[in-house]
Amino acid sequence: DAGVIQSPRHEVTEMGQEVTLRCKPISGHNSLFWYRQTMMRGLELLIYFNNNVPIDDSGMPEDRFSAKMPNASFSTLKIQPSEPRDSAVYFCASSFGARATGELFFGEGSRLTVL
Amino acid sequence: GNSVTQMEGPVTLSEEAFLTINCTYTATGYPSLFWYVQYPGEGLQLLLKATKADDKGSNKGFEATYRKETTSFHLEKGSVQVSDSAVYFCALIKAAGNKLTFGGGTRVLVKP
Repeated sequence: DAGVIQSPRHEVTEMGQEVTLRCKPISGHNSLFWYRQTMMRGLELLIYFNNNVPIDDSGMPEDRFSAKMPNASFSTLKIQPSEPRDSAVYFCASSFGARATGELFFGEGSRLTVL
Repeated sequence: GNSVTQMEGPVTLSEEAFLTINCTYTATGYPSLFWYVQYPGEGLQLLLKATKADDKGSNKGFEATYRKETTSFHLEKGSVQVSDSAVYFCALIKAAGNKLTFGGGTRVLVKP
């Protein structure tokens, strides 16, 4: 079975450019999470969706970040404009169930470098 | 609020050595506890879990026991292999919560 699929795996861009990260969750999973991982701050939850609806976006750092989930099989995380401090590995994760169980399935991550 | 504290890494040890990674938590009520593992260049994978006090989670030779009296969930393995080199994350979720709270991660390096 396919796991969580993220693209691109690596992105290098210049400050001020728009970045779009993509995620395809595991089929049948109804919750989707976006995390950011850095050496300084560790793993941070940015936003999560349940049944395609954003439930908690309190971790989104600022208005430059936005996330959408137009359907059950696709989500995007957009940064516009990007800044060097956005450099990190961004993970998408999905899970199944009517309530949160803590059992997440992570993608391999998108490593973003903003110059 | 909820929090998870892990021992600082990196932890370096030789193959076949005994591994312990300490994890303590702060949470109200009865959270579920987890250990996730992240191998180099990969996403996190669930390693084991425990949902109530005195439960023992186990997988791939790793074990952890939910100790409510000490609010701890220490990870142990009796004989590590080079392939166990990874970053290990302790995490919790509250019974009525929606979000995992992760610790800072502990990097483990096993040398042959």
